[in-house]
Amino acid sequence: AIQMTQSPSSLSASVGDRVTITCRASQGIKNDLGWYQQKPGKAPNLLIYTASILQTGVPSRFSGSGSGTDFTLTISSLQPEDFATYYCLQDYDYPLTFGQGTKVEIK
Amino acid sequence: QVRLQESGPGLVKPSETLSLTCIVSGGSINSYYWTWIRQAPGKGLEWIGYVFYSGNTNSNPSLRSRVIISLDTSKNQFSLKLSSVTAADTAVYYCARRVATRPMYGFDYWGQGALVTVSS
Repeated sequence: AIQMTQSPSSLSASVGDRVTITCRASQGIKNDLGWYQQKPGKAPNLLIYTASILQTGVPSRFSGSGSGTDFTLTISSLQPEDFATYYCLQDYDYPLTFGQGTKVEIK
Repeated sequence: QVRLQESGPGLVKPSETLSLTCIVSGGSINSYYWTWIRQAPGKGLEWIGYVFYSGNTNSNPSLRSRVIISLDTSKNQFSLKLSSVTAADTAVYYCARRVATRPMYGFDYWGQGALVTVSS
């Protein structure tokens, strides 16, 4: 199975900060990568698919980049509602696999 | 608006079979991968498997011997059966719709999740 490694596992940031989360695949996955946001007690929510395409309704402060094995999720200006856990998901090969998550906390 | 809703027992005894159903409303069940994902308490997300609208299925090799996922198009619902459960199967189980049509690959709709506890 393809292993997805996210970093950092957690971070503390302030409102207005620029935040970057990375995800590395154990083998090349082209651009078949998605990013999901999960708030406590809620189902994950799709933010970005195919590495860089913003899902409908997602604020433009979220962006994604990368291809092959290295990917990045960037939040350009962190907002109070963005404090959550973020997961990457490789959609290239079965079994589909998620990163271990990055918890974004308030500094 | 598409809506997914899980239902099933919240408590299952060890060695028994976990059964969940996901009812899909507000949209067609055609052309998508209907998927189960779980999340153990305080842990990350694990893909369990899917049933395609054609009836084809695939599942995580780590669970394959215990998993059956099926589709009932007449009722617009799909189901998960996980046999021989242990405490390690305690988790919130999500059903989700996966789109896999270029350029979009992803889970665009999710159920709210169903907590299933395995305990005697």
